[in-house]
Amino acid sequence: ILNVEQSPQSLHVQEGDSTNFTCSFPSSNFYALHWYRWETAKSPEALFVMTLNGDEKKKGRISATLNTKEGYSYLYIKGSQPEDSATYLCASPPDAGGTSYGKLTFGQGTILTVHP
Amino acid sequence: DGGITQSPKYLFRKEGQNVTLSCEQNLNHDAMYWYRQDPGQGLRLIYYSQIVNDFQKGDIAEGYSVSREKKESFPLTVTSAQKNPTAFYLCASRINRGGQPQHFGDGTRLSIL
Repeated sequence: ILNVEQSPQSLHVQEGDSTNFTCSFPSSNFYALHWYRWETAKSPEALFVMTLNGDEKKKGRISATLNTKEGYSYLYIKGSQPEDSATYLCASPPDAGGTSYGKLTFGQGTILTVHP
Repeated sequence: DGGITQSPKYLFRKEGQNVTLSCEQNLNHDAMYWYRQDPGQGLRLIYYSQIVNDFQKGDIAEGYSVSREKKESFPLTVTSAQKNPTAFYLCASRINRGGQPQHFGDGTRLSIL
């Protein structure tokens, strides 16, 4: 069973602060890494799908990096705003079949609260 | 607007009853998924389906059943055999192509009376 870990479990920052959190996964048999943002009372929304070692992706003030050799991905938020408050989930396919079937194993999430 | 609709938003069940959660998508996605969320845990996969009339067990399928008679619909039945059904349930769908993310509904919260 694939083990996807996220840290920290929760994070409180002030508006304007930049922040980052981590997703760890086994470096062997890596296929892809997904990031999702889940705001309260809404559905999870896809941020990034990353597949190559060294990948860097950006969406507005949010960016992510991927290191498949050491088994981690960082999500960065520059100049956090209250509307960035959400649970951030990462997920990875558990096996080769998962790559084509779209199966994902999720981490437990990082809850980000941005205080005005 | 294309999307995934889960209904109802809240559902209450008496012990010993089966209950069915609805998931409908108009995104023309081939694959659909059911997840369960419990406090402090990540989403756990219950069942998934790649095409109509085919579905596979996920990591925690015991006490659940599904059907996939139409591409748009993937209902989940929580049976009386599920010992701890109180949870938040999310449905998702995806284009069956590499590198594609999943798209989620708003979820159904199931509680036991």
